[in-house]
Amino acid sequence: DQQVKQNSPSLSVQEGRISILNCDYTNSMFDYFLWYKKYPAEGPTFLISISSIKDKNEDGRFTVFLNKSAKHLSLHIVPSQPGDSAVYFCAAYSGTYKYIFGTGTRLKVLA
Amino acid sequence: NAGVTQTPKFQVLKTGQSMTLQCAQDMNHNSMYWYRQDPGMGLRLIYYSASEGTTDKGEVPNGYNVSRLNKREFSLRLESAAPSQTSVYFCASSAQTSTDTQYFGPGTRLTVL
Repeated sequence: DQQVKQNSPSLSVQEGRISILNCDYTNSMFDYFLWYKKYPAEGPTFLISISSIKDKNEDGRFTVFLNKSAKHLSLHIVPSQPGDSAVYFCAAYSGTYKYIFGTGTRLKVLA
Repeated sequence: NAGVTQTPKFQVLKTGQSMTLQCAQDMNHNSMYWYRQDPGMGLRLIYYSASEGTTDKGEVPNGYNVSRLNKREFSLRLESAAPSQTSVYFCASSAQTSTDTQYFGPGTRLTVL
């Protein structure tokens, strides 16, 4: 049973527009979340994190929103750039050094 | 700083063969991890080492063994490879606390025939 779900396998967005990537989780005990970006033939690279004591965290063009009551987080990229084309994973900290990863969303930013 | 390095990058094995995937980090991190990534699935934790001298099972440990050789190196061994172990394997490390960001290596693509 997938505890962290990314229901959109892919997303296409025009350059300059907003990209919104979504992630749902089932366990209300999860209290720390990460987003990673992955290019082909490379390992995932850390993008941004959020703790459950916040509902928003911002880093440049990237903002993560957390809605604890809905068990939902989203990553906003504004403005989207062609270099943002990658697979994005959300991950939830489940305790004892373990993160549970979603299945990923492939973002394509069209020039 | 190379970060996290993994060898080999690619490997093809026959069923029943054994091999060891190597991982090293130069960030002086305490914790290291092995994940596998399969199509349509997220990264799944195989084993982790919270600190030098300790190893623990993750979500999918069956068919694998690990060795934390020293603070820098963490290897993953397949004793008798099976086609179900065809996957991309990622090693990662993190600094101190259990929620610290994990930094990933470039991956090893393994095919078992």
